Amino acid sequence: NAGVTQTPKFQVLKTGQSMTLQCAQDMNHNSMYWYRQDPGMGLRLIYYSASEGTTDKGEVPNGYNVSRLNKREFSLRLESAAPSQTSVYFCASSEAGIGELFFGEGSRLTVL
Amino acid sequence: GENVEQHPSTLSVQEGDSAVIKCTYSDSASNYFPWYKQELGKGPQLIIDIRSNVGEKKDQRIAVTLNKTAKHFSLHITETQPEDSAVYFCAASEGDYKLSFGAGTTVTVRA
Repeated sequence: NAGVTQTPKFQVLKTGQSMTLQCAQDMNHNSMYWYRQDPGMGLRLIYYSASEGTTDKGEVPNGYNVSRLNKREFSLRLESAAPSQTSVYFCASSEAGIGELFFGEGSRLTVL
Repeated sequence: GENVEQHPSTLSVQEGDSAVIKCTYSDSASNYFPWYKQELGKGPQLIIDIRSNVGEKKDQRIAVTLNKTAKHFSLHITETQPEDSAVYFCAASEGDYKLSFGAGTTVTVRA
């Protein structure tokens, strides 16, 4: 089992460009999450999907959109990247809501 | 929303000594408190968690204590080893799906 797989691992964008971060899990989990990690700020929730077909905003959703494509996949899109979105992005999944989160290895995004 | 504060931000301990990290939370409705360990270049991994109906939980060299009245919980690592060097995050639940994380503690175990 691969667990949670994120792509790409690294990306450099120019301000205003768009991109999509992909995430897939093979644990048959119902809930999936996108977090961003910035120095000194811990992990902040961007969006989550409680179950297939639903998505909800987290603490810092502005500038992002998400799609729960199916039970396995949950993508994060930046429509017009800004330097403030330079961060490390983590996708995570859990069996159903609150409980152990399984994280991917992260995607490091730099916006110039 | 939930606000989680974590202290200290850095902690250096001699191998074999104990390490203690403390967190406070603001939402009295929180009922799930996990701790995650993050090694360099990797995603966080759960090391221990506690629910609000218990006051303490142990797993080998790791223990977590919870004081719901005071709204704080702590991670205790005994007999520290070099492989315990990492960043540790506490978190508190917010509703049925969200976790609010502390800012993290960088633990260095000196040989």
